[in-house]
Amino acid sequence: GNSVTQMEGPVTLSEEAFLTINCTYTATGYPSLFWYVQYPGEGLQLLLKATKADDKGSNKGFEATYRKETTSFHLEKGSVQVSDSAVYFCALSENQAGTALIFGKGTTLSVSS
Amino acid sequence: EPEVTQTPSHQVTQMGQEVILRCVPISNHLYFYWYRQILGQKVEFLVSFYNNEISEKSEIFDDQFSVERPDGSNFTLKIRSTKLEDSAMYFCASSGPDGNEKLFFGSGTQLSVL
Repeated sequence: GNSVTQMEGPVTLSEEAFLTINCTYTATGYPSLFWYVQYPGEGLQLLLKATKADDKGSNKGFEATYRKETTSFHLEKGSVQVSDSAVYFCALSENQAGTALIFGKGTTLSVSS
Repeated sequence: EPEVTQTPSHQVTQMGQEVILRCVPISNHLYFYWYRQILGQKVEFLVSFYNNEISEKSEIFDDQFSVERPDGSNFTLKIRSTKLEDSAMYFCASSGPDGNEKLFFGSGTQLSVL
């Protein structure tokens, strides 16, 4: 079945450091891929998405490229800020309305000044 | 921006008791979902709901669980007889005509079963 595997956290960085959070997936078809973020005390929010191979999703300085050959969707940011501290979830869906999102375990990012 | 609202934020109950978790989805959305996250584990899909019926459910969503949209605005998850292993954060989500292209999540209800 479909699944998502994320790197284990927590990830602790200093402000302005480079961030990579690894995500790989297993899917039978051609899923859409997502990164969700959960700030303390809030719900999950869509950060970025990509719907087909080689697409790059980007938002708020974060980027992720849909790599079909390596079944990966790694999240990157060139210079993190304290306000980026949150839990990041990689997810996939089978592109049918109403079907389930499959999430990874989430990776906690802590950024210190 | 519109948001999904969940109440309560924390719920403590005794094993064997019934609980109802409440959600108010975004008003013009058509698809509704429940997910849960047991501490330290993945966010897991429970059920999706469309046009007043369940459209998909996971193996977690057994006979102890039910969902309802009683009045056109609320979307509830009922657990009939809670077990210790039901302790988790429960997230409600909704989406518009695009289905799961963009889900809006609530901030969750932390359920603790004692």
